[in-house]
Amino acid sequence: AQRVTQPEKLLSVFKGAPVELKCNYSYSGSPELFWYVQYSRQRLQLLLRHISRESIKGFTADLNKGETSFHLKKPFAQEEDSAMYYCALIYSGAGSYQLTFGKGTKLSVIP
Amino acid sequence: DAGVTQSPTHLIKTRGQQVTLRCSPKSGHDTVSWYQQALGQGPQFIFQYYEEEERQRGNFPDRFSGHQFPNYSSELNVNALLLGDSALYLCASRLFGGSQETQYFGPGTRLLVL
Repeated sequence: AQRVTQPEKLLSVFKGAPVELKCNYSYSGSPELFWYVQYSRQRLQLLLRHISRESIKGFTADLNKGETSFHLKKPFAQEEDSAMYYCALIYSGAGSYQLTFGKGTKLSVIP
Repeated sequence: DAGVTQSPTHLIKTRGQQVTLRCSPKSGHDTVSWYQQALGQGPQFIFQYYEEEERQRGNFPDRFSGHQFPNYSSELNVNALLLGDSALYLCASRLFGGSQETQYFGPGTRLLVL
C-alpha cells in the first residue's frame, strides 16, 4: 500500500534562512508526487509536482527514487511562506486518481 | 467563476444521525472527489465520481455514500454518524483525463458530531 510520511509536524525557521520540508514515500509502482500548500484561511492548493520540475514561489523538490524522498526546499524563507504543507502521492492505474497525503508540516517563518 | 463551492460551511450533528454535504465543481469540470481531513491529519480519499458513477473508493465503510448529478455537482452522505466522523470534508474537482494541475479543492465543510 502507498504511504507518505512527513516526519516534522512543525518547522520554525528565521526569515532568510533555508527551508527543507521532508517527505518520504512508499509505493510499489512508479510514483507521481506533489506538494500542496494551505495558507491561513485559504483552501488547499497545488504548489508543485515532480514531473514538471519547476520552481514555484522559490520552492523546488527533487524526486529521489533511491531514498524514496521528495523533500521541498527553498534557499531563503519569507514570512509569507508560513503555511501548512502537505506532500502527496498519486495512486494511479486504470484511470484512477487517488491522492494519498502525508499528515502535513506546519512551516512558521519567524521575522 | 467561484471555483469549487461547498455547503454548508459548518454542521453539528449527534451520534446516529445522518448528514448530507454538497459540492459544486469548478466550471468546466466533470469529476468530483471527496476527502476527509481529521484534525492534525492530511486529507484521506473517500471516493471519486465521474459520469454519475462512483469510480474509485478509499478505505471508508459503506456508511459513506455519494451521488453525482447530471450537472456534475455531488453529494456526500454519511449515515449512523460516529464521534470519529468529526472532520473537515473536502471536495475536489477536475476534468476527467486532465492533468493534476486541473484539480481544485473547495473550502471544505466542517462537521462536528456530538
